[in-house]
Amino acid sequence: QKEVEQDPGPLSVPEGAIVSLNCTYSNSAFQYFMWYRQYSRKGPELLMYTYSSGNKEDGRFTAQVDKSSKYISLFIRDSQPSDSATYLCAMTSQGAGGTSYGKLTFGQGTILTVHP
Amino acid sequence: ETGVTQTPRHLVMGMTNKKSLKCEQHLGHNAMYWYKQSAKKPLELMFVYNFKEQTENNSVPSRFSPECPNSSHLFLHLHTLQPEDSALYLCASSHKVDRPETQYFGPGTRLLVL
Repeated sequence: QKEVEQDPGPLSVPEGAIVSLNCTYSNSAFQYFMWYRQYSRKGPELLMYTYSSGNKEDGRFTAQVDKSSKYISLFIRDSQPSDSATYLCAMTSQGAGGTSYGKLTFGQGTILTVHP
Repeated sequence: ETGVTQTPRHLVMGMTNKKSLKCEQHLGHNAMYWYKQSAKKPLELMFVYNFKEQTENNSVPSRFSPECPNSSHLFLHLHTLQPEDSALYLCASSHKVDRPETQYFGPGTRLLVL
């Protein structure tokens, strides 16, 4: 079983739709959860990160973490064609103040296309 | 230049060649990372450097040799690679190695091994 599972898609939605992207994980030690956006021929760009369970909102983006279910989500409201990219979830069991070795575990990435 | 830069952006090499990838970060960070991104596979962490010292080698074959002369520069020396090593190689940096959740990535070097 992979430590992090992410549906690779591809996911195609019309402009203005609400998009839901999800990852499940098996390691209960994960504490920090990240979402990256990667445009074609570019490196991943950090969108949001959250610590432990709960919600975090930033503009049209909302990240949710449910540690009891080992499930994280990224919601995109009013999706735009410019949101078309690959979305990667990532997580780590280590963070500020901990004994960390910089290890992020990534999902496979979901390819999203928002068509006009 | 701002952020994390990588050169070259594209590289084609034969299996007997020796080449090097370069990464430079302009963010004042102290930790740097090499990742491999292959099609339909998750990003794989290769190496971690913290204040120029290697802290992680994720069972990477010796044909990949990293070098970190200072906190701003990171190299990946390549020799006698295999076709399956063709991938996007990404460099990243973070303020400290215990803040991996704030890694910033470069644009990557797309490598093709013939």
